[in-house]
Amino acid sequence: SYELTQPPSVSVSPGQTARITCSGDALPKKYAYWYQQKSGQAPVLVIYEDTKRPSGIPERFSGSSSGTMATLTISGAQVEDEADYYCYSIDSSGNHRVIFGGGTKLTVL
Amino acid sequence: QVQLVQSGAEVKKPGASVKVSCKTSGYTFTDYYIHWVRQAPGQGLEWMGWINPNSGGTNYAQKLQGRVTMTRDTSISTAYMELSRLGSDDTAVYYCARLGTTDYWGQGTLVTVSS
Repeated sequence: SYELTQPPSVSVSPGQTARITCSGDALPKKYAYWYQQKSGQAPVLVIYEDTKRPSGIPERFSGSSSGTMATLTISGAQVEDEADYYCYSIDSSGNHRVIFGGGTKLTVL
Repeated sequence: QVQLVQSGAEVKKPGASVKVSCKTSGYTFTDYYIHWVRQAPGQGLEWMGWINPNSGGTNYAQKLQGRVTMTRDTSISTAYMELSRLGSDDTAVYYCARLGTTDYWGQGTLVTVSS
């Protein structure tokens, strides 16, 4: 079955650039979406269709995709960006099922 | 404004079923699929399936086939998710969500399965 793979954790100091990757065979054909989830809260969309940022999301959040890997970049990470981040995409086999990555814990300290 | 409001927390015994509702407002209910996503304590997000509110068509995660049923009532703009034969590993927060470029989530419903 189709999978999306993320690193379990990423750690940066405040002001540094954090990069979180998401790899999967369908990503050359399907968009990646990224969520931020803070403890006890519902996920918040931070990037959609690989590179687009919803209104209200700070400009330091950006997305890119190349081949089988999508990347969420947080330029100048802040303490309040500490959260779990999930990618998701659509299975490219034609069954229209949604697949989530396993999530990445971002620590900013 | 778009809102998805879910029913309250549930406690169920193993082997029972649970039905969670998701009442929507602020948009045309039949224009967007409703997805259900769950999150077990300390775990990641797990997609359960979607329902097309217009046609009633559904698409379920393979893992849950045969145990999950998603339905809707267009007269009250509400979607439902029923999960049967509950086990302890079904203890989770269950979310309804409108995924995509415009993305909205319900507040989550905690379902606890315990004897």
